[in-house]
Amino acid sequence: NAGVTQTPKFRILKIGQSMTLQCAQDMNHNYMYWYRQDPGMGLKLIYYSVGAGITDKGEVPNGYNVSRSTTEDFPLRLELAAPSQTSVYFCASSPVVNTEAFFGQGTRLTVV
Amino acid sequence: DAKTTQPTSMDCAEGRAANLPCNHSTISGNEYVYWYRQIHSQGPQYIIHGLKNNETNEMASLIITEDRKSSTLILPHATLRDTAVYYCIVEKGGTSYGKLTFGQGTILTVHP
Repeated sequence: NAGVTQTPKFRILKIGQSMTLQCAQDMNHNYMYWYRQDPGMGLKLIYYSVGAGITDKGEVPNGYNVSRSTTEDFPLRLELAAPSQTSVYFCASSPVVNTEAFFGQGTRLTVV
Repeated sequence: DAKTTQPTSMDCAEGRAANLPCNHSTISGNEYVYWYRQIHSQGPQYIIHGLKNNETNEMASLIITEDRKSSTLILPHATLRDTAVYYCIVEKGGTSYGKLTFGQGTILTVHP
């Protein structure tokens, strides 16, 4: 059982470049989330989705876009990378609310 | 969501119980208390959650005071592998779609 899989694990981007962080889960969970974690801080919610075709902004959505065309996948898009987006990105999923969330192992992104 | 307050750091001897406190004095009646931990910047790992009653699972016990203004996570026999950042989170359940608000957590260091 793979759980929540994030790719890539590491990436270095130049300012202004774009990229997509991939997230896939094989547990048929309806709810999926993207968080970012800056050094020494807790995680902050970027975007979330309650099902295929439905997404909404979290606390820090600026500079990011998401889509949810299938239950399994929830990619996060950075269009114009900025140094402020240097962070570790975590994807998570849960089957319903009031239960545990499952996190991926993270993507460490550096923008130079 | 209600704000939580946790000590910045705690120490515990291996084999002893680790008791991690959390204050959530503004919690409302429909908000759950969750505990997650993060080891070495890996993805957060769910530990336990509860609404009113004390809860126990294979990892830990959660003690919630009768007025629900504070709680304690208990790791009964701490091991070196329990060294991690522990996050206490209050979450509304259904109406918040499982979105988690992470603070800075408690750094627990387990010593030999």
